[in-house]
This record gives sequence, C-alpha cells and structure tokens, in this order.
Amino acid sequence: EAGVAQSPRYKIIEKRQSVAFWCNPISGHATLYWYQQILGQGPKLLIQFQNNGVVDDSQLPKDRFSAERLKGVDSTLKIQPAKLEDSAVYLCASSLYRGENTEAFFGQGTRLTVV
Amino acid sequence: DAKTTQPPSMDCAEGRAANLPCNHSTISGNEYVYWYRQIHSQGPQYIIHGLKNNETNEMASLIITEDRKSSTLIPPHATLRDTAVYYCIVRATGSARQLTFGSGTQLTVLP
Repeated sequence: EAGVAQSPRYKIIEKRQSVAFWCNPISGHATLYWYQQILGQGPKLLIQFQNNGVVDDSQLPKDRFSAERLKGVDSTLKIQPAKLEDSAVYLCASSLYRGENTEAFFGQGTRLTVV
Repeated sequence: DAKTTQPPSMDCAEGRAANLPCNHSTISGNEYVYWYRQIHSQGPQYIIHGLKNNETNEMASLIITEDRKSSTLIPPHATLRDTAVYYCIVRATGSARQLTFGSGTQLTVLP
C-alpha cells in the first residue's frame, strides 16, 4: 500500500515569512497527526485529527500555527509568521482507528529551515 | 501515559542481536509498550508492541518482564541498516491516543 505522502521535502524561508506543509495520509486512515521534531529530540505532537475534527491541539502554538483537514483526508499545516525556533522536521502520520491499538505510519517529513 | 527511560546510546556488532532496554516502572494495567525506530532522515517506523506477553515479528522480539516495569527489544542479527534511534513508548489502549516520544536510544551497529 502507498505510504504517507508529504510535501515539500525541504523548505528554506526567512523569519516572519509564512509556509505551508501538505500531507496525504494512507487511504482509509481516520486519524492524522502532525509532529514537530527539533534536531536531536524525539518528535513532539502538534495536533491530532480524527476524520476532520481536532482531537488534541494542546501543544500547537495557535498564535502562529494552524492546521486543517478538509473532508477528513488531506491535511495542511501552516506557520505564519515563522520564527527561527520553528526550524525543525515536520512529520505527518496516520493510523487506522478502530478503537484498538493500531500502529501509526509516518511520512518522511518536511525539513524547515528558518533563516 | 507512563514515562519511559532508555539509555541514550548503545553499540552492537554486526550480526549480533542487540538488546535495547526500556524502563517503564509507572506503567498501568491498560497501557501497551510500543517500539518505533527512526533511521536518519526518515520518519519513525513501527516495530512491535505488546501488553504483557512476549511478542515476536519479522523485525524484532519484545520481552516484557512479569511485573511489566521494564522491557527489552531484541532485533536479531543486527545489520548496518539497523543503525537508528529506537523509541520505547507507553500508550493507553482502546483509544486513538497520541504517541509520546522521548529521546530514545541511538543504536549504532558496528562492522
């Protein structure tokens, strides 16, 4: 089966600019996650969707980050305006939620550099 | 979800079985132990998970102690491609709960 697709693979922007990342989860996966991974650290959850509703966005910096999942399929994560500390890899993951323990599948991520 | 503790780094000779430990002394009865690994420049990859019985799949074996306070991941016959950061995660069952990653163990397989 096709995996989680993310684009772009790399992005370099100046601080105060805006940027958007796109994620296409595995077909049929109801749960979608966005993680931020700063160099040398484990991934940190930013937001979790169940279909097109938000389950958890407690760690999303809402003053500058936003995310949406239209029609419960693709998702976009936006940063506006970007700060230097936003430099990180942004990972999208999806899982097949059936009320059981199912594993999450991750994309390759988008590496963002803010200069 | 319960917190996990892992050594920051380990080495393993190629062809040998690596033994990656994880401490989760505060684990509760409805929490599973998950293992993921992350090869450089890739997203995390699921390896295995278990509740209280030992588990084995094509990637690794998971040994969970009887009191469930610790576990060991054993990828057999390590190859250079198994060099990665290995994450041990404890997660509650019965929900689409998030995976909370710690710092993991950097496993380096040496030729």
